[in-house]
Amino acid sequence: DVVVTQSPLSLPVTLGQPASISCRSSQGLVYSDGNTYLNWFQQRPGQSPRRLIYQVSNRDSGVPDRFSGSGSGTDFTLKISRVEAEDVGVYYCMQGTHWPWTFGQGTKVEIK
Amino acid sequence: QVQLVESGGGLIKPGGSLRLSCAASGFTFSDRYMSWIRQAPGKGPEWVSYIGGGGTDVNYADSVKGRFTISRDNAKKSVDLQMNSLRAEDTAVYYCARGTRSGGDFWGQGTLVTVSS
Repeated sequence: DVVVTQSPLSLPVTLGQPASISCRSSQGLVYSDGNTYLNWFQQRPGQSPRRLIYQVSNRDSGVPDRFSGSGSGTDFTLKISRVEAEDVGVYYCMQGTHWPWTFGQGTKVEIK
Repeated sequence: QVQLVESGGGLIKPGGSLRLSCAASGFTFSDRYMSWIRQAPGKGPEWVSYIGGGGTDVNYADSVKGRFTISRDNAKKSVDLQMNSLRAEDTAVYYCARGTRSGGDFWGQGTLVTVSS
C-alpha cells in the first residue's frame, strides 16, 4: 500500500498567522489519466471529514481562499495563509491514485 | 442540495452481520460512483469500498475483502454495505461518500458500528 506521511502531527498556531502541513507519499501520485489524486480534508471536532482541496490544488466550493494546496510527485503541502478560530481540527491528506486509497495520520491544528 | 444519510449501525457481537444503508438525494444518483469509508475511534479514515454507477465496478480494501459486499439500487437512490463475519477491528464510524479517487466531494454524517461481545 502507498504510505502517506504527514508532518507535523501537531500544529499550534497563533490566530492570524500562517500554517503549513506537509504530506509525502511513498510512491509518485500521477495517475494514468495524467491527474494527480492528492486531496486534503478538514475534520472539525465531532464532524465528518470535509474535502477542502482535490487533485493537489483545486479548492472546493465554499472553502475560503486562505486555504491552498500545492506540490507534485511525492511532496505536497496545504497552506493556511491566516489561521482563524474555525480552522481548528484535524487535517488529512489522502491519495486516490493507487488502490487502496490511503490517508495520512492527520495533523491536529490548534490555537496557541 | 446533496444529502447522504447513513443508517443501520449498532452494537453487534463478533462473527455477526450488519447491513448499512446510505440514502442519497439532491443529485443524479445513477451517474455517480459511491464509496464507504470508515474511521475507527481516534484513528484516521480508511477507504473500505466503492461502486460505479452501474453497480459492476466495485473494489474492496484487503481488510474487508470476502466479508463485506457493496451494492446499490439506483431506483431507490441508495447504496448498501453488507458486513459479515464482523470483528472487533471493524468497530468504526462508517461514512458514505459521493465519489472516489478525488476524495469524495460530499460525505454523510456517519453511522457507528461497534463489534463487541
